[in-house]
Amino acid sequence: NAGVTQTPKFQVLKTGQSMTLQCAQDMNHEYMSWYRQDPGMGLRLIHYSVGAGITDQGEVPNGYNVSRSTTEDFPLRLLSAAPSQTSVYFCATSRGGREAFFGQGTRLTVV
Amino acid sequence: AQSVTQLDSQVPVFEEAPVELRCNYSSSVSVYLFWYVQYPNQGLQLLLKYLSGSTLVKGINGFEAEFNKSQTSFHLRKPSVHISDTAEYFCAVSGGNAGNMLTFGGGTRLMVKP
Repeated sequence: NAGVTQTPKFQVLKTGQSMTLQCAQDMNHEYMSWYRQDPGMGLRLIHYSVGAGITDQGEVPNGYNVSRSTTEDFPLRLLSAAPSQTSVYFCATSRGGREAFFGQGTRLTVV
Repeated sequence: AQSVTQLDSQVPVFEEAPVELRCNYSSSVSVYLFWYVQYPNQGLQLLLKYLSGSTLVKGINGFEAEFNKSQTSFHLRKPSVHISDTAEYFCAVSGGNAGNMLTFGGGTRLMVKP
């Protein structure tokens, strides 16, 4: 089993560009979420989904969009990248309230 | 809203010494508690979890944590650390006001010196 797969692993964007971070899981978990990790701030929740067709905002949703058309996939879209979005992004899955399983992360730099 | 505070951003310790990483949380309802470890340039790996039952929880790599409801704490301990334990450790809580998503503390960098 691959678990949680994130692509790409690294990305450099110019300010104003758009991109999609991909997340796929083969664990059949109903909950999926996106976090960003910044030094000294731990991981902060961006958006999450409790099932196909259902998404909601987390702590830091501005500048990001998500959709959940299937159980397996939960892409994160940056519509117009800003330097403040330079971060490491993690996708996670869980069975609601229990432990989360994380992907390997995407390191994004916006210049 | 629930929150998690990790009281030490860095903890230096000599190899084979004991270590305690402190974690306090705030929540008005029952929660689940977790400790994760992150090695350099990797994702997060679950060390241990408290869902219910015994307040002393044992995890992987010789780590354990004790849930103290009255003090709203979930401190992580290891009696003898190794160089390979050098990593960043995150305390997290789920349940309560934030639903079923994890809320993380700011992390503690454990630095084990020879």
